[in-house]
Amino acid sequence: GAGVSQSPRYKVAKRGQDVALRCDPISGHVSLFWYQQALGQGPEFLTYFQNEAQLDKSGLPSDRFFAERPEGSVSTLKIQRTQQEDSAVYLCASSLGLAGGRTGELFFGEGSRLTVL
Amino acid sequence: KNEVEQSPQNLTAQEGEFITINCSYSVGISALHWLQQHPGGGIVSLFMLSSGKKKHGRLIATINIQEKHSSLHITASHPRDSAVYICAVSPRGYFGSGTKLNVKP
Repeated sequence: GAGVSQSPRYKVAKRGQDVALRCDPISGHVSLFWYQQALGQGPEFLTYFQNEAQLDKSGLPSDRFFAERPEGSVSTLKIQRTQQEDSAVYLCASSLGLAGGRTGELFFGEGSRLTVL
Repeated sequence: KNEVEQSPQNLTAQEGEFITINCSYSVGISALHWLQQHPGGGIVSLFMLSSGKKKHGRLIATINIQEKHSSLHITASHPRDSAVYICAVSPRGYFGSGTKLNVKP
């Protein structure tokens, strides 16, 4: 696609439900990032993939959060047993991230707004 | 995370003023990004830097690799520049906490 696509755009979940958020990066982009942005706050880093390898998951707030990118393209962020504090916009970004430490411009999706009731 | 720090957190300016936002980082980077997010809007990339200086219209970004520091300057600021400006570093994608800029007419 032309840009980073995220789905669903809006998700309402009852506390305790599991949710899955999808990110389709720009085709060919090696690096993929997930961020959590609470209302009125700046984005907080969650995790980073290079191809299918999850190189950094230090920002995941608890073991209820899990991200995968099995084929090095589409990524899914899963949140188990959602809590009210999980309510936020979840942003995905991708970059070309060429080999050898070179990088590329960051492109962001529109985000998935999760509301946990 | 303190890998990327920005200052100031909040900035109010009068239209026409010259604005500087600073970013310091403590990790190895392949590039530094300046991003902009308008209230309720998405994030867009303004600059990607690995050395030196870049200019786009009224925006100028500089980076000093030795000092691990970057600055974003806005000349002749305008109310439409009001937004949150975020510094981010590659390859890890760590963000600074953002600088909320409000330019008053």
